[in-house]
Amino acid sequence: DTGVSQDPRHKITKRGQNVTFRCDPISEHNRLYWYRQTLGQGPEFLTYFQNEAQLEKSRLLSDRFSAERPKGSFSTLEIQRTEQGDSAMYLCASSSGQGTVNEKLFFGSGTQLSVL
Amino acid sequence: GENVEQHPSTLSVQEGDSAVIKCTYSDSASNYFPWYKQELGKRPQLIIDIRSNVGEKKDQRIAVTLNKTAKHFSLHITETQPEDSAVYFCAAITAYNTDKLIFGTGTRLQVFP
Repeated sequence: DTGVSQDPRHKITKRGQNVTFRCDPISEHNRLYWYRQTLGQGPEFLTYFQNEAQLEKSRLLSDRFSAERPKGSFSTLEIQRTEQGDSAMYLCASSSGQGTVNEKLFFGSGTQLSVL
Repeated sequence: GENVEQHPSTLSVQEGDSAVIKCTYSDSASNYFPWYKQELGKRPQLIIDIRSNVGEKKDQRIAVTLNKTAKHFSLHITETQPEDSAVYFCAAITAYNTDKLIFGTGTRLQVFP
C-alpha cells in the first residue's frame, strides 16, 4: 500500500488518559499535515511539517496536543489528559512539497478517537 | 486568515440530473482550490482542483469554475449517478507564508435512482 496510513483506526479511551496516533505518509512526501474532523464538519487544520520541522500550529492545538516527526518520515500526534471534546476523527495527509506551487494533499483513513 | 463558506449543506437530485455546489473564500491571495469527496467512514479523496490562473477545468462528468473577482468557485457534476452520493468539501489555500488547506463545511449529496 503506497498511500498514507494511520494507526490505529479506532481508539477508545477514558477521560484523562493519554493517547498517541501514528501516521506514515506517502514515501518521499516531505510535507505532512494533521487535521481533525468532527461529525458533519470539514477537516480543521491542526499542524504541519516540512520534513522534520513543524512549521505551523493552529490555535486549536492546545498545550495538551503535541506532534512530532523526528526523522522526517512518520509522525506521531499525542493528546495528553484527554477530554470528551477531543473525540473526533484525526486525519493525516501528505504532499510532495516540491517546488513553489501548492501540492495535492493525500489523506489517510484517519484515527477515530472516542473519549468516554 | 482564510475562511471558506460552502452551500448548500445538503443536496438531493434525481439520477441523471446535474448538481452544483458553491463556495466562497475570503483571502484574495488564495490561489489553489481543490474539491474532495468523502464517502461514509472513508478518507477524503481529491476529485478535481483548480489554480487561480485558470477559470474552468473539466474532468469527464465533473467541472470546477473559479471567479477570482467575486472570490467564489463551484463544483458541477453532470449526469449524476447513485455512486456520486457522498459529502463533498471545497477548500482553499494561500501560497504565501502558509501552506494549509482551509475546508468548507461540506455538502451532503444524495442521488436518487
